[in-house]
Amino acid sequence: NAGVMQNPRHLVRRRGQEARLRCSPMKGHSHVYWYRQLPEEGLKFMVYLQKENIIDESGMPKERFSAEFPKEGPSILRIQQVVRGDSAAYFCASSPSQVFSGANVLTFGAGSRLTVL
Amino acid sequence: GENVEQHPSTLSVQEGDSAVIKCTYSDSASNYFPWYKQELGKRPQLIIDIRSNVGEKKDQRIAVTLNKTAKHFSLHITETQPEDSAVYFCAATSPTDSWGKLQFGAGTQVVVTP
Repeated sequence: NAGVMQNPRHLVRRRGQEARLRCSPMKGHSHVYWYRQLPEEGLKFMVYLQKENIIDESGMPKERFSAEFPKEGPSILRIQQVVRGDSAAYFCASSPSQVFSGANVLTFGAGSRLTVL
Repeated sequence: GENVEQHPSTLSVQEGDSAVIKCTYSDSASNYFPWYKQELGKRPQLIIDIRSNVGEKKDQRIAVTLNKTAKHFSLHITETQPEDSAVYFCAATSPTDSWGKLQFGAGTQVVVTP
């Protein structure tokens, strides 16, 4: 099991450009979560998706940010017209279900580090 | 929504001593409390978790305690080693939220000196 795969690991963009971050969940996991970690801070929830559905986007900024998890392929976090304040590490996590059970834990990917010049 | 506070923000211990990190949470309905360890530039890794139906859980040198009445939980690391140096995050989730919507504490930088 390759774990949660994220790419790119590092991304540099100039202000006003678009950033696309990709996440492939662990095999057998159908729930994907995106978190953002600003320098020297904790992780902040952004969005929770299942295949073809956004379940909870309460942590996502209302403008410039969007996320999808299509039927085929990875989940994508898209940031349009990036600004310096978007510079952060973006972590994706996956879980097998929403069931509150002993087997259900959240596993994080290695993260994508976005730098906006 | 849930709010988690974590203390201390930094903790320096001598190798072999114990380290204790404390967290408080606000939502009495919260029922899952994981602890993550994050080394510099790496992913957060789950090291131990506890669910609201137990008061204590131990895994080798690591233990977590939960006091539901006081709404706080703690991480205990015994016989610390240099490889324990990292940032540790506590988190909580409430059944009123999406399951994977963890509310994280601000983190504790642990430095173990030989």
